[in-house]
Amino acid sequence: GDSVTQMEGPVTLSEEAFLTINCTYTATGYPSLFWYVQYPGEGLQLLLKATKADDKGSNKGFEATYRKETTSFHLEKGSVQVSDSAVYFCALGQSGGYQKVTFGTGTKLQVIP
Amino acid sequence: NAGVTQTPKFRVLKTGQSMTLLCAQDMNHEYMYWYRQDPGMGLRLIHYSVGEGTTAKGEVPDGYNVSRLKKQNFLLGLESAAPSQTSVYFCASSSTGDSNQPQHFGDGTRLSIL
Repeated sequence: GDSVTQMEGPVTLSEEAFLTINCTYTATGYPSLFWYVQYPGEGLQLLLKATKADDKGSNKGFEATYRKETTSFHLEKGSVQVSDSAVYFCALGQSGGYQKVTFGTGTKLQVIP
Repeated sequence: NAGVTQTPKFRVLKTGQSMTLLCAQDMNHEYMYWYRQDPGMGLRLIHYSVGEGTTAKGEVPDGYNVSRLKKQNFLLGLESAAPSQTSVYFCASSSTGDSNQPQHFGDGTRLSIL
């Protein structure tokens, strides 16, 4: 079946540092890929998505490229802020009667001033 | 701009008690989902619904029942709570079942079973 593997956290960075959170996947067919963010005490929110190979999703300075050859969707941001502290989930979506989403285990990011 | 609203936000139950979690969405979405979130395991799908009056089992349905009598509401029931059901429960909705549609999540219900 489908699976998503993302790097374990927590990840601690200083403000303005470069961020990379690795995500790789295994899937049949042509899934869509997502990054969701969860702030403390809240539900998951869509951060960005890509729906086909070589697509780049971007939002709020974050970006990720759908790499079919390496089955990866790594999240990057050039300069993190304290407000970026949250848990980040990589996810894979398939259709088939409903939207079947496979989530990674989440990576906690802490940004210190 | 409510989106997806879950009630209650917190609950403590004793083993064997029953309760119902309510999810309401105001986006006219057809598809609704119930997940549980446990440490180190990501989110796992309990049940889902593809429209009013329909429900189906997800990955971890045992011990739970659901109902979707109205399009905007999706209820999750625990008939006889067990400590293994201690978790954070999230409801989500999507406009279609297409793979490229994002899901919209509520803020969760933190449930503890003693």
